[in-house]
Amino acid sequence: AQSVTQLDSQVPVFEEAPVELRCNYSSSVSVYLFWYVQYPNQGLQLLLKYLSGSTLVKSINGFEAEFNKSQTSFHLRKPSVHISDTAEYFCAVSLSLSFGGYNKLIFGAGTRLAVHP
Amino acid sequence: GAVVSQHPSRVICKSGTSVKIECRSLDFQATTMFWYRQFPKQSLMLMATSNEGSKATYEQGVEKDKFLINHASLTLSTLTVTSAHPEDSSFYICSARGGGTGTTGELFFGEGSRLTVL
Repeated sequence: AQSVTQLDSQVPVFEEAPVELRCNYSSSVSVYLFWYVQYPNQGLQLLLKYLSGSTLVKSINGFEAEFNKSQTSFHLRKPSVHISDTAEYFCAVSLSLSFGGYNKLIFGAGTRLAVHP
Repeated sequence: GAVVSQHPSRVICKSGTSVKIECRSLDFQATTMFWYRQFPKQSLMLMATSNEGSKATYEQGVEKDKFLINHASLTLSTLTVTSAHPEDSSFYICSARGGGTGTTGELFFGEGSRLTVL
């Protein structure tokens, strides 16, 4: 079975500072990895995903994540955060196509990013 | 991008009544939809996988008779919480799988429906 661990439940940071949200996963087979963002009282929005290929993936709003197979990690980073980045961030994993495909998402517990002025 | 809409966004009901939540894919056909439940300050827990034209597949520990799922068309899935109790109060989120190669189509999430049972 797959599992996801987000090591930090809350990350406070000042505006324009860099941030890293940590995510580790456990799986005996290859997986797809995702980061979702949830703003208050809203559904989830896909931030970025790793399916295959380049291990560094980027979003349109400056976030990036790197798939590290040896460390089973998919940490999310941003070099300079904004107030508007304040939200809950969820790391998720699903089985890769060769093992049944992208069917169920298993979510981590979430990390609340709080950006302060 | 693709849009998934849930209705209602908020609902308050009395204990013992049933509540229906709708999930619609607005600009694409979704053969598969997923229903999640989110407790306050916690992660999303998959409740069931809804397949158009067939019975839903429930995750272990989820009561089928309690949470009725119907996926009658390619754009609509409904979750009915029957005989609701205060412990059923939660944020319910649906997602739908969009088009794409094989099963790697992106999942799109609805805005969520907050159920409060008094």
